[in-house]
Amino acid sequence: GESVGLHLPTLSVQEGDNSIINCAYSNSASDYFIWYKQESGKGPQFIIDIRSNMDKRQGQRVTVLLNKTVKHLSLQIAATQPGDSAVYFCAENSLRVFSGGYNKLIFGAGTRLAVHP
Amino acid sequence: KAGVTQTPRYLIKTRGQQVTLSCSPISGHRSVSWYQQTPGQGLQFLFEYFSETQRNKGNFPGRFSGRQFSNSRSEMNVSTLELGDSALYLCASSDRTGLVIQYFGPGTRLLVL
Repeated sequence: GESVGLHLPTLSVQEGDNSIINCAYSNSASDYFIWYKQESGKGPQFIIDIRSNMDKRQGQRVTVLLNKTVKHLSLQIAATQPGDSAVYFCAENSLRVFSGGYNKLIFGAGTRLAVHP
Repeated sequence: KAGVTQTPRYLIKTRGQQVTLSCSPISGHRSVSWYQQTPGQGLQFLFEYFSETQRNKGNFPGRFSGRQFSNSRSEMNVSTLELGDSALYLCASSDRTGLVIQYFGPGTRLLVL
């Protein structure tokens, strides 16, 4: 279904290390993927997106990798900083499957990133 | 540009009441989507409005409704509130519909007692 699970995994890293957050998406027909960061008491903040015709995209300190064969998405954060501590969500959209041509994001359960000094 | 704004930020209601939440999208954005966020179910899509028309709807009961005005501002309404409606309600806007970035507001936290 389209609901997400109860478990929220936590990734703990040391400041300055690289972080890798993983996401398994639900539908092989998904066309578009977004990563969001949500800090406590705030709405999700856009980090980076990627379309299904790409397998890698880089931003400032972040890289998203897409493996369509195993329906896996990852977000790599270089030189992780305390300000990166938050919950990270991946989201998918498919014009054909979910949305009929419109905006409808299906979110993963999220991963909590804890950065220690 | 100012971001997505939502009012009120916090709300306490009792079972059986109804509530209306408001969302002002980023200037120039014509699509507004609503999501419900709970610890148990995560982020779930409620509906999307584009050019004053509901374009898409999630798996929520008819007690959840919305509308969009000509200036793209949107409201959502929940009637006959239940305890399970307690959640963070998030509004997101985008400049068009389709495979595009949606920008989220801070949310309205609703507590139903």
